Amino acid sequence: GENVEQHPSTLSVQEGDSAVIKCTYSDSASNYFPWYKQELGKRPQLIIDIRSNVGEKKDQRIAVTLNKTAKHFSLHITETQPEDSAVYFCAASKGNDYKLSFGAGTTVTVRA
Amino acid sequence: DAGVIQSPRHEVTEMGQEVTLRCKPISGHNSLFWYRQTMMRGLELLIYFNNNVPIDDSGMPEDRFSAKMPNASFSTLKIQPSEPRDSAVYFCASSLMTSGYEQYFGPGTRLTVT
Repeated sequence: GENVEQHPSTLSVQEGDSAVIKCTYSDSASNYFPWYKQELGKRPQLIIDIRSNVGEKKDQRIAVTLNKTAKHFSLHITETQPEDSAVYFCAASKGNDYKLSFGAGTTVTVRA
Repeated sequence: DAGVIQSPRHEVTEMGQEVTLRCKPISGHNSLFWYRQTMMRGLELLIYFNNNVPIDDSGMPEDRFSAKMPNASFSTLKIQPSEPRDSAVYFCASSLMTSGYEQYFGPGTRLTVT
């Protein structure tokens, strides 16, 4: 099955700086890559996703890039704010198999 | 729409007891997923249904776990008998596959087995 690895496991940044989280996947047939944000005690919430026919996608301060050749994708958060502090999960899925395989998560702490 | 609804939100039970977790997906969604989240193992997919039919239950840990989806608006995850290692947060998520892969999670059920 699909194996998704996520790095780093923890990330501490100064408010206003950028944060980057990277994920790699093993199955070249995967074609959907969502990112979820989970605040303490809350549910995972989809913040951005990318499909294999797109290399980059932006939504205000967050962006995701995809490199299908290298089988990795990244989440970029610019101008970080305290409310960005949370656990972020990447995931991967194939077109004919709607299962999401999740990475282990990255705990992001934004220091004021 | 109220989103995915799960009940109960918290459950504390003694080992050996039967536990039933409930989920109501978003109206109109045709796929439903059960996940378990622990610190040690992260987010694990247990089972998912498409149009009320179980498609993949390879993540179900053992025979003590069972899941049903009798209709498009209701699903249950049952653990019988429960064990302390089943303590976790159990999430249900739903999706409308014809519009993409986006999964929307419920608030979760925090299960503690003593």
